[in-house]
Amino acid sequence: DTAVSQTPKYLVTQMGNDKSIKCEQNLGHDTMYWYKQDSKKFLKIMFSYNNKELIINETVPNRFSPKSPDKAHLNLHINSLELGDSAVYFCASSQRGRTADYGYTFGSGTRLTVV
Amino acid sequence: AQSVTQPDIHITVSEGASLELRCNYSYGATPYLFWYVQSPGQGLQLLLKYFSGDTLVQGIKGFEAEFKRSQSSFNLRKPSVHWSDAAEYFCAVGADSNYQLIWGAGTKLIIKP
Repeated sequence: DTAVSQTPKYLVTQMGNDKSIKCEQNLGHDTMYWYKQDSKKFLKIMFSYNNKELIINETVPNRFSPKSPDKAHLNLHINSLELGDSAVYFCASSQRGRTADYGYTFGSGTRLTVV
Repeated sequence: AQSVTQPDIHITVSEGASLELRCNYSYGATPYLFWYVQSPGQGLQLLLKYFSGDTLVQGIKGFEAEFKRSQSSFNLRKPSVHWSDAAEYFCAVGADSNYQLIWGAGTKLIIKP
């Protein structure tokens, strides 16, 4: 009955590879997000989708591409991985217009290590 | 521009002692304010939130926070900390008009036995 689930939890890969992280939420929320948390714990929003439509696209390299097949899923695909991509990536969801009521619900994170 | 400042990078308190974590925000209108906790290796969990009404809000795990408009602050407090409270704490501010929360840099709470 996990609310926001991400897979995999850990991902170790070599530079230059392409990888994907999957996220699914069963809360009925219509807005989903990807955040990157660096080694200093700083949270940086990367993307936000509302009902499968991209609404926030912060300055991230083009190698990062989100895909939302439906409003319950938001996947993150990363091409040509670099050492600097090593971080913890969090998926989150919220209900449009109800952020104040419920805030965000976060997944447990995916720790990506590029070697 | 909206911003959130958590002035303390680390705070160390003894188990059983009281705790106050500081959060200051910059926002033109009445903000929606949140505190989240991140335990080691875990995602972020909502502790409490404020958007209107009583300026002293109660949250989970015995935490409370007070909204002070005059000081643009939303400090988190707990009367007696437990070793299990050791974690990273994040303050965030948001507006219902958009989808984005603005996050503080976090405060790491260390508990001394």
